[in-house]
Amino acid sequence: DTGVSQDPRHKITKRGQNVTFRCDPISEHNRLYWYRQTLGQGPEFLTYFQNEAQLEKSRLLSDRFSAERPKGSFSTLEIQRTEQGDSAMYLCASSPTDYSNQPQHFGDGTRLSIL
Amino acid sequence: AQTVTQSQPEMSVQEAETVTLSCTYDTSESNYYLFWYKQPPSRQMILVIRQEAYKQQNATENRFSVNFQKAAKSFSLKISDSQLGDTAMYFCAFMKRAQGGSEKLVFGKGTKLTVNP
Repeated sequence: DTGVSQDPRHKITKRGQNVTFRCDPISEHNRLYWYRQTLGQGPEFLTYFQNEAQLEKSRLLSDRFSAERPKGSFSTLEIQRTEQGDSAMYLCASSPTDYSNQPQHFGDGTRLSIL
Repeated sequence: AQTVTQSQPEMSVQEAETVTLSCTYDTSESNYYLFWYKQPPSRQMILVIRQEAYKQQNATENRFSVNFQKAAKSFSLKISDSQLGDTAMYFCAFMKRAQGGSEKLVFGKGTKLTVNP
C-alpha cells in the first residue's frame, strides 16, 4: 500500500538550527497539504500545492517557513532558525484533483522537538 | 472564516455500548463537506465518515453514523457497539466545496475517546 510517507518520523534539534521535512504523497494525488498539530489541538492548515504550484499559504507560515514541491511529486517543508514554539507534529496529506472533493489522506507525521 | 467546535475534550464508554461525540461549526458557505477523522495514539489520522452538506440523508459507515443538522450547524458522530480499537482522538473537520478539487480542512480541537473493557 503506497500511502502518504513522511520522513523523518522524529526530529530533535537545537533552537536556531534549520530543519527540513519530506513528504511523498500517494502517487496519483495532485494536491498536497501541510498541517501543524500542537499537543492537545487539532491540526492547523499551513499550505497546499496543486502539482508544483503553491496555491495557498496560511498566515501561520511565517517567513522562516518555506515549502516546495519542485516536480509536483514529493514536497519539502523547511523551517529556518527554529524556535521553541515550532515544536509540533507536522502532518502531510494528499488528495486527487477532481470535482468530487475527495477526502485527504494523511501521513504519520514528523514530530519536531526543539531543545 | 470557518470555525469548528468540539465541546467534549474527553469521553469514555464501555465496550459494546454506544457513544455520541458532538461537533458544531460556523460558516457562511452554503456548499461544504464535514468529516470525522480518527487519530489513534501515535498513529496516522484516518477518515471515519464524510457528510456532504447538500445531502439531507445522514451518512453511515458500519458502526459509525452522523446526525447532521444543517440549520443548527451541528454534526455529531455516533459510535455503536464500541470496540477497544475505537480508542483514539476524534476530530471533526470542515471543508468548503470547491471546483477543481478538495480544499484545506478546518479542524476542531478533538475529543479523546476511551473505550473501557
